[in-house]
Amino acid sequence: DADVTQTPRNRITKTGKRIMLECSQTKGHDRMYWYRQDPGLGLRLIYYSFDVKDINKGEISDGYSVSRQAQAKFSLSLESAIPNQTALYFCATSDGTGRSNQPQHFGDGTRLSIL
Amino acid sequence: QKEVEQNSGPLSVPEGAIASLNCTYSDRGSQSFFWYRQYSGKSPELIMFIYSNGDKEDGRFTAQLNKASQYVSLLIRDSQPSDSATYLCAVRVGNTGNQFYFGTGTSLTVIP
Repeated sequence: DADVTQTPRNRITKTGKRIMLECSQTKGHDRMYWYRQDPGLGLRLIYYSFDVKDINKGEISDGYSVSRQAQAKFSLSLESAIPNQTALYFCATSDGTGRSNQPQHFGDGTRLSIL
Repeated sequence: QKEVEQNSGPLSVPEGAIASLNCTYSDRGSQSFFWYRQYSGKSPELIMFIYSNGDKEDGRFTAQLNKASQYVSLLIRDSQPSDSATYLCAVRVGNTGNQFYFGTGTSLTVIP
């Protein structure tokens, strides 16, 4: 089983709909992240959380919200989807304990299309 | 100025050659450096990390770090067509490593 699981893997929806992307992990990591990736723009950070009570905005948080339901679960919501939110979305985790040199580990991604 | 800069490419090398991928970073407080490989439509996969100046080798991959020049590179020896992918450079900054920055990636094509 994958260590970082994202659901759904693909989603097509209409403008104005509310959408939730879910991420769960079995790595025991305290830190979780949501990114979106667009061609030519690389990975852009939407939100990140260092523990259940900690939520931080990233580079492009407008139009998005998150919930850290448990250490292992971090969901991303689009309250009213718009076409320019069409992108590939990734959840990532990292271990924030101990040394500061731990990498991020990614889920398989959610391909979201908004019509 | 972006935190992490990479040449977007595309970089093309013949099979069996050495591919050299480069990355510069702006924050001198950067402490950890990572290379990810990403196939089209797939998630980034960690292939190398380096923390200290010098070279680190893992199989066909060598990461090189020069903190004085704020430069990190990835060499792929005996390049194979399966190495064709986008390579992302990532940098972790700060005493607690709270800030994590990605470059936009370099596209590599290995020609059979």
